[in-house]
Amino acid sequence: DQQVKQNSPSLSVQEGRISILNCDYTNSMFDYFLWYKKYPAEGPTFLISISSIKDKNEDGRFTVFLNKSAKHLSLHIVPSQPGDSAVYFCAASVSRGGSEKLVFGKGTKLTVNP
Amino acid sequence: NAGVMQNPRHLVRRRGQEARLRCSPMKGHSHVYWYRQLPEEGLKFMVYLQKENIIDESGMPKERFSAEFPKEGPSILRIQQVVRGDSAAYFCASEIGGVTEAFFGQGTRLTVV
Repeated sequence: DQQVKQNSPSLSVQEGRISILNCDYTNSMFDYFLWYKKYPAEGPTFLISISSIKDKNEDGRFTVFLNKSAKHLSLHIVPSQPGDSAVYFCAASVSRGGSEKLVFGKGTKLTVNP
Repeated sequence: NAGVMQNPRHLVRRRGQEARLRCSPMKGHSHVYWYRQLPEEGLKFMVYLQKENIIDESGMPKERFSAEFPKEGPSILRIQQVVRGDSAAYFCASEIGGVTEAFFGQGTRLTVV
């Protein structure tokens, strides 16, 4: 069962435009959400996170939006740059003080064209 | 301030051999997670360890796989009698504890031939 879903395997945008990556989840116990960026042959790099008590978190060009009622979050990158081309993973966890393991989606490959 | 270090980066094993993957967490981090990524898939949780303790191994296959994080030295993920289906990228992540922004290593790519 896929608790975290990224339904778009790939996304292509023009440099300077907005990139919107989407993620849906099914487990209502998730209360912390993260986005990771991954280049080929590298480990995932933490990008931005959001707690379930918020609906928006912004860090420079990156903004994450959380819609709890829809169990949906999205990552906005604006303006997109060619260096943003990578695979983006959405991840979720339940912060219950024990194991805070992350549940990952399958990823969306973003290509930013110059 | 070195990041999470994993070695080897690439490991080739014949079927039936043992694979040992090592992970040195970031300085000051006492929590280690192991994840596996199969081709075209997301990362899947395997095991969560603190020094000398296995906290959550709900993602570990019941047989052939084991993990440890000794008081001194790196965390080790051990796969005995490897099979072709074990071929994957294995990532280690560490965190201070109580903080969910885990930092990942570059991974070990295991190929079973």
